[in-house]
Amino acid sequence: NAGVMQNPRHLVRRRGQEARLRCSPMKGHSHVYWYRQLPEEGLKFMVYLQKENIIDESGMPKERFSAEFPKEGPSILRIQQVVRGDSAAYFCASSPGQGGKTQYFGPGTRLLVL
Amino acid sequence: QQQVKQSPQSLIVQKGGISIINCAYENTAFDYFPWYQQFPGKGPALLIAIRPDVSEKKEGRFTISFNKSAKQFSLHIMDSQPGDSATYFCAARWTGANNLFFGTGTRLTVIP
Repeated sequence: NAGVMQNPRHLVRRRGQEARLRCSPMKGHSHVYWYRQLPEEGLKFMVYLQKENIIDESGMPKERFSAEFPKEGPSILRIQQVVRGDSAAYFCASSPGQGGKTQYFGPGTRLLVL
Repeated sequence: QQQVKQSPQSLIVQKGGISIINCAYENTAFDYFPWYQQFPGKGPALLIAIRPDVSEKKEGRFTISFNKSAKQFSLHIMDSQPGDSATYFCAARWTGANNLFFGTGTRLTVIP
């Protein structure tokens, strides 16, 4: 039973480029959450999605960041025109039901902006 | 504003000793308190969780103690082993919320 999968595991971008992070939830899970972890800090919630719907994006920066979870395929977190401050580990979690009580995390994508 | 405050930031324990990590919260609406374990380069993995109607929960060497009146909860790792060396995060959530609020993490090192 495969867990939450994320790719790429490491991503290097230059300032101004775009970063696309992918997340495939656990089998049978239709709820996806994205979190960001800055060095030496805890995880901070960004966005919660169900298939084809953004349910809660209260933690997303207002500009340059977007997320989607299409009917088919993985969830995508997209960061446009990356800046050095975007360097962080981005974790995706999934849950089988609404409410997000039991969330299972993927291995994360470590983004480095040069 | 940190919803869940965690201490200490780092902890060194001898093999066989007890590791204790503490967390405190302010929001009385929180009703679910999980602990996550994270190894370097990996994602957080759920370790153990508790609801506020229970004062203690034990799973193997891991125990959560919960003090509702003080709004504090702690993780105790008995007979700590070098393989327990990891970063531990407490978290909290309230009914109806979509996300978890995480503490800042405790880096535990268990020395042989």
